[in-house]
Amino acid sequence: KAGVTQTPRYLIKTRGQQVTLSCSPISGHRSVSWYQQTPGQGLQFLFEYFSETQRNKGNFPGRFSGRQFSNSRSEMNVSTLELGDSALYLCASSLGAAGTDTQYFGPGTRLTVL
Amino acid sequence: DAKTTQPTSMDCAEGRAANLPCNHSTISGNEYVYWYRQIHSQGPQYIIHGLKNNETNEMASLIITEDRKSSTLILPHATLRDTAVYYCIAYYGGATNKLIFGTGTLLAVQP
Repeated sequence: KAGVTQTPRYLIKTRGQQVTLSCSPISGHRSVSWYQQTPGQGLQFLFEYFSETQRNKGNFPGRFSGRQFSNSRSEMNVSTLELGDSALYLCASSLGAAGTDTQYFGPGTRLTVL
Repeated sequence: DAKTTQPTSMDCAEGRAANLPCNHSTISGNEYVYWYRQIHSQGPQYIIHGLKNNETNEMASLIITEDRKSSTLILPHATLRDTAVYYCIAYYGGATNKLIFGTGTLLAVQP
């Protein structure tokens, strides 16, 4: 079974631009979560989607948004990019909404903001 | 905040067992202990998880103390490819699948 895939793997943008990242979960998984990883803050939770609904959101500004489609694929969008948005963005998928379902991570998208 | 504390770094000789400790004294009865590892800027890789009993899979063993205040991840025969940051996470999602990562342990396997 294929794992979680994320596209693109690398991205370079300039300040003020916006960016959309994509995540395809493992087949059959309905929950997708997004995380941001930076050297200073570590791995931080952005938001989670289950059945096209946002279930939880981390402490990030409104410039960060996401959505999930009926096939469970998810996208996250960052508008008005800032230098501090440079990070590794990770998505994870799990089978369902139960708290005991193991989450599996994708390889990440490395975003560099110049 | 993370409910777990881990040593910042550890060394292990190649071929020897690597024992990575984790303290989770405030863990609640329905929280699982999950272990992930991250190899240099790749996505975290799931290793193993447990609730009360010791667990073993093809990657590792997880030993949880009877009082559930601490646990140990054991890699039985460490290789250079096991060099990574290992994260111990107390997790019961309930209404969310949010994982709270701490700083983890950097395991350096030495030749």
